[in-house]
Formats: sequence, C-alpha cells, structure tokens
Amino acid sequence: AQSVTQLGSHVSVSEGALVLLRCNYSSSVPPYLFWYVQYPNQGLQLLLKYTSAATLVKGINGFEAEFKKSETSFHLTKPSAHMSDAAEYFCAVSLYGNNRLAFGKGNQVVVIP
Amino acid sequence: GAGVSQSPSNKVTEKGKDVELRCDPISGHTALYWYRQRLGQGLEFLIYFQGNSAPDKSGLPSDRFSAERTGESVSTLTIQRTQQEDSAVYLCASSLRADYGYTFGSGTRLTVV
Repeated sequence: AQSVTQLGSHVSVSEGALVLLRCNYSSSVPPYLFWYVQYPNQGLQLLLKYTSAATLVKGINGFEAEFKKSETSFHLTKPSAHMSDAAEYFCAVSLYGNNRLAFGKGNQVVVIP
Repeated sequence: GAGVSQSPSNKVTEKGKDVELRCDPISGHTALYWYRQRLGQGLEFLIYFQGNSAPDKSGLPSDRFSAERTGESVSTLTIQRTQQEDSAVYLCASSLRADYGYTFGSGTRLTVV
C-alpha cells in the first residue's frame, strides 16, 4: 500500500527565505504525486502535480517540486516566502491508474515578517 | 458547475441527531470522494465512488456513517446519532482521471454539541 510521509507538522519561515517542505512516499510502482494547499476555512487547492513527464514541476504561486525516484521524494520549494504563503500544505500520492489519493498529515507553514 | 459545491457550509447539531451533508461534483467527473478533517489533523478517507461500480467504503469509521451517490451526480453523506467526536470538516472532492488529481469543495464544518 502506498503511504506518504511529511515531517514536521509546523514549519516557520522568515519572509523572503526559502520554503522547503519534504515529502517521501512508499510505492513499488511509478506514482502520481501532488501538492495541495489549504488556506484557512477553505478546501484544498492543487498546487502542482507530477505525472511521469518532467521531474521538475512548476506550480502556482512560485512553487515547484522535484520528483526523485532514487530517494522516493517529492519535496516542495519556493525561493522566497511571502506572507500570503501561510497555509497548510499536503503531499499526496496515487499509484499509476489508481484514482484514489493517499495524503500526508500536512505541514502548517507560518511566515514570520 | 464550475467547481465542487458542498452544503451546508456550516452545521451545528445536537448530540444524537442525524445529519445529511451534500456534495455536487463537477459535471462529468466520474469519481467522487469524501474525507474528514479533524482540527489540526490530516485528511481521513471515508468513501469513494467510481462511476457505477460498488463504492469503496473502507474508510467509514462506524455503521453510523453512510453515503449515497446517484449515477455520476450528487452525493449525500449521512451521519446517524451524531457524537461529539464527529465534529470535523467534511470535504468532498471529484476527479475525472487519476493524473488530474482531485478538485475539492470548500467543505462542511460540522459541530456536534
């Protein structure tokens, strides 16, 4: 069964600093990988996705993520944090052809002015 | 419609009462999912509908929980004899294909008093 690990439930980052959120997955077959963002009192919004094309994926709001098969990772980064990036971020994985996603526990990002 | 619509957005109910939550998926999306999100926690899978196939009910926490979907349209999640631990945000999502990811609704915030 696939699973997703996100370490560190709360992440604090200074405004203008690098945002790095780690995601590791366990899967014996090529997966689809996703990052979602959830702003307060809202549903989840798709940030970006990897579906076996380019390993470096660019998403909305300046975020990007790199799929590394050898490390079974899909870490999310943004070079310079903005106050509006304060939100919860979820990594998710589905096996190729499987429509159901498994979600990580999420990272609550706090941006310090 | 343009997005996934959930109603009501907020529901306060007394312990022991039944509640019904509604989800209107994006037109044409064959897959529909219900998740539960408790305060400060990740997403807990509840149930998954795919077309006319039998639903995957493996995430329903007890027999007080049930869900229905008519064809590829509206779904209702019913919680009978609500308990305080049922208080959570209930999220609905729909998708067309596994590599597209999910589109989420804004959720129903259920409070059992």
